[in-house]
Amino acid sequence: GAVVSQHPSRVICKSGTSVKIECRSLDFQATTMFWYRQFPKKSLMLMATSNEGSKATYEQGVEKDKFLINHASLTLSTLTVTSAHPEDSSFYICSALADSTDTQYFGPGTRLTVL
Amino acid sequence: AQSVTQLDSQVPVFEEAPVELRCNYSSSVSVYLFWYVQYPNQGLQLLLKYLSGSTLVESINGFEAEFNKSQTSFHLRKPSVHISDTAEYFCAVSLTGRRALTFGSGTRLQVQP
Repeated sequence: GAVVSQHPSRVICKSGTSVKIECRSLDFQATTMFWYRQFPKKSLMLMATSNEGSKATYEQGVEKDKFLINHASLTLSTLTVTSAHPEDSSFYICSALADSTDTQYFGPGTRLTVL
Repeated sequence: AQSVTQLDSQVPVFEEAPVELRCNYSSSVSVYLFWYVQYPNQGLQLLLKYLSGSTLVESINGFEAEFNKSQTSFHLRKPSVHISDTAEYFCAVSLTGRRALTFGSGTRLQVQP
């Protein structure tokens, strides 16, 4: 149990385009999901907290207009990188906080490469 | 704010030897503690966690960690490692179960034959 999926696993896009990444909790409900970014050989940095039915909370330094987050249901959150640039290339990881156990479960990550 | 320190960026060890990965945290309030493992090109997997109760927690694959409140530590140990344990290990804390995790910088465990 407690599986979180992300789609796509890899995406390559041209500079200036937008990319949507989906995060789904497959067998549990998650009112809260988190989006992290992981740079090469670095730790995970929290980007934002996504709450079902309300606006996301962004960490300091994260542009909310660039990284749009939508949490429309108890099992799905999406991150849209708008007008992507090469510096947005990274590994994006979501996690879902299981409502019943207060434990976070992580998705496998999405490798974004912006050319 | 809370913080996590993993002093060892890399830990090389021979197969079947014991290993300890160190984790210290800083927080003015009670925290939950976690260890996650990341295999190459994969996402993070929960290894074990401390929420309350017994200070010694164990995983199904032989790892254990002990919460030491006085030393603000949550070191991860395994008495005998396998080649397959080679991975990046992250220690993390959260203020409560409903908050985001603060991660340490990670420790690369390299098990050599």
